[in-house]
Amino acid sequence: AQRVTQPEKLLSVFKGAPVELKCNYSYSGSPELFWYVQYSRQRLQLLLRHISRESIKGFTADLNKGETSFHLKKPFAQEEDSAMYYCALLNQAGTALIFGKGTTLSVSS
Amino acid sequence: GAGVSQTPSNKVTEKGKYVELRCDPISGHTALYWYRQSLGQGPEFLIYFQGTGAADDSGLPNDRFFAVRPEGSVSTLKIQRTERGDSAVYLCASSLKGGAHETQYFGPGTRLLVL
Repeated sequence: AQRVTQPEKLLSVFKGAPVELKCNYSYSGSPELFWYVQYSRQRLQLLLRHISRESIKGFTADLNKGETSFHLKKPFAQEEDSAMYYCALLNQAGTALIFGKGTTLSVSS
Repeated sequence: GAGVSQTPSNKVTEKGKYVELRCDPISGHTALYWYRQSLGQGPEFLIYFQGTGAADDSGLPNDRFFAVRPEGSVSTLKIQRTERGDSAVYLCASSLKGGAHETQYFGPGTRLLVL
């Protein structure tokens, strides 16, 4: 079965603290994974994808096939990072994204 | 350039009525996707178009749901005999060619409320 699990509904941190948003997946083969973000009153947008191995807005995510995880990390959270974050997996047919339920990140000063 | 647009932004209807939701993808994008997002959930796939044809409609929940893309650009999602459980945000996304390694660009969504 292809599935994405985000175990935390809400993560609250203080500004400057490290952030880790958890994502686990179930997939046969080599997955293609993404993090999407939705800021307040904005549309869903791509934050990063594992295949690019890039860092966007200070966020990184490493694919760990042994643990079937793709956790999103940032060393120092900023208030503008407050948003809803979705982990997503491209299905095996390559036709659709499978999303987790999302984690709300709240960064306060 | 303009992003994906969706109309209407909000739709309130009564149980049993018929509704149409429209999506305008990014110009030149051949791949178009519909997702449905219920409260507290992530988006769930409904249907994928490659050009004018539905390449994958495995996510449509039942035969009350139907989507078309007759000219390979604008798409309409049609829901017959609406039920209260159809209340959700309906999201449209497009990508350049579809498939792996591509970014899907999302529209703002249509919030459907069935009373």
